[in-house]
Amino acid sequence: AQTVTQSQPEMSVQEAETVTLSCTYDTSESDYYLFWYKQPPSRQMILVIRQEAYKQQNATENRFSVNFQKAAKSFSLKISDSQLGDAAMYFCAYRTSNAGGTSYGKLTFGQGTILTVHP
Amino acid sequence: NAGVTQTPKFQVLKTGQSMTLQCAQDMNHEYMSWYRQDPGMGLRLIHYSVGAGITDQGEVPNGYNVSRSTTEDFPLRLLSAAPSQTSVYFCASSYNLQGEQYFGPGTRLTVT
Repeated sequence: AQTVTQSQPEMSVQEAETVTLSCTYDTSESDYYLFWYKQPPSRQMILVIRQEAYKQQNATENRFSVNFQKAAKSFSLKISDSQLGDAAMYFCAYRTSNAGGTSYGKLTFGQGTILTVHP
Repeated sequence: NAGVTQTPKFQVLKTGQSMTLQCAQDMNHEYMSWYRQDPGMGLRLIHYSVGAGITDQGEVPNGYNVSRSTTEDFPLRLLSAAPSQTSVYFCASSYNLQGEQYFGPGTRLTVT
């Protein structure tokens, strides 16, 4: 079974600074997807960024980028020019891309990291 | 599109009571799922469905039932609520097993 670990329960950053959230995962599969979700106080789960394991290029979405290290099974999220609206719980998640297995389509989540942004 | 909707937003139950959490989507998505969120544990899959009439268990299915009689609706039933089921429940859907999953706003359930 796959596992996802976020070792930083809480992180903080000054507005306009850069912060990196860590995520490691364990899998025996070679093809899969990785995600970062944001959960603000409203509780809504918002997809921030997605990475396909077969792509070597790191995904980028505006101020959000990832550092995907497949051999190390590491998937960190970098937030540049942090804004007050970035304050939220962030979840790293894994999903297999192997069709037919019982876990196909299932998202496996890490424990979450609470990000505080100081003005 | 309303996306994924969940009702109610909040609910308090007494131990032993039963209730149904409603989930509906208007995006014609085949794949729907239920997760529970507990502090320090992220979200864990309870049950999922790959289409009308087809459901299967996830990681933590005990104490919950589901059915999928239509593409749009995927209700989660608690047969006899227990304090251990106090949690925030999320419904999610995607066009297929490979598509992006869209989450509902969640239901906060407290069992006393």
